[in-house]
Amino acid sequence: DAMVIQNPRYQVTQFGKPVTLSCSQTLNHNVMYWYQQKSSQAPKLLFHYYDKDFNNEADTPDNFQSRRPNTSFCFLDIRSPGLGDAAMYLCATQRGLDYEQYFGPGTRLTVT
Amino acid sequence: GNSVTQMEGPVTLSEEAFLTINCTYTATGYPSLFWYVQYPGEGLQLLLKATKADDKGSNKGFEATYRKETTSFHLEKGSVQVSDSAVYFCALTPENTGNQFYFGTGTSLTVIP
Repeated sequence: DAMVIQNPRYQVTQFGKPVTLSCSQTLNHNVMYWYQQKSSQAPKLLFHYYDKDFNNEADTPDNFQSRRPNTSFCFLDIRSPGLGDAAMYLCATQRGLDYEQYFGPGTRLTVT
Repeated sequence: GNSVTQMEGPVTLSEEAFLTINCTYTATGYPSLFWYVQYPGEGLQLLLKATKADDKGSNKGFEATYRKETTSFHLEKGSVQVSDSAVYFCALTPENTGNQFYFGTGTSLTVIP
């Protein structure tokens, strides 16, 4: 049974056109993360939520926003995608600090 | 700062060969160390972990030992199978910060029959 679900798996958007990526979880975990992974690079943390507390990484561009309306769902909004934003976006959850992270399959974003 | 360096791939091995994927880290104190595996089309899955020096993590025939003196956490398996073909990521969380994960760039392993 899928525990961390990401939709869509593949997303194509146009340069400058806002796009939203979705993540949901059935684990009831407190913490949710968004990572950006470019080809042959390590996943890079964009931000995370601990319950409703939002934590933004210092170098995450303002173009990236996130929403967590409830425990189960978390969204990544890219307000004006550039070509450099094409990447795999990974969502992960964590029961609390010092526990393992559970990852979704990722959404591959293409910007044309 | 905190960082993880792992050997570059891709790595290609024959079935039943011995596997080593090197991982070294930079961090202050005693971070927790992890190996994650990513099978084609799937998300990352925790393979094993170690939370203090000299701990050995093990799972599915894979092992890694936390070596503080060499700041290393090398992944090993005595006899790989075709089903082990995947990308392997080494990662750390700094001491007392369980929500800050730093990943290596991943090592792609292909096992051929």
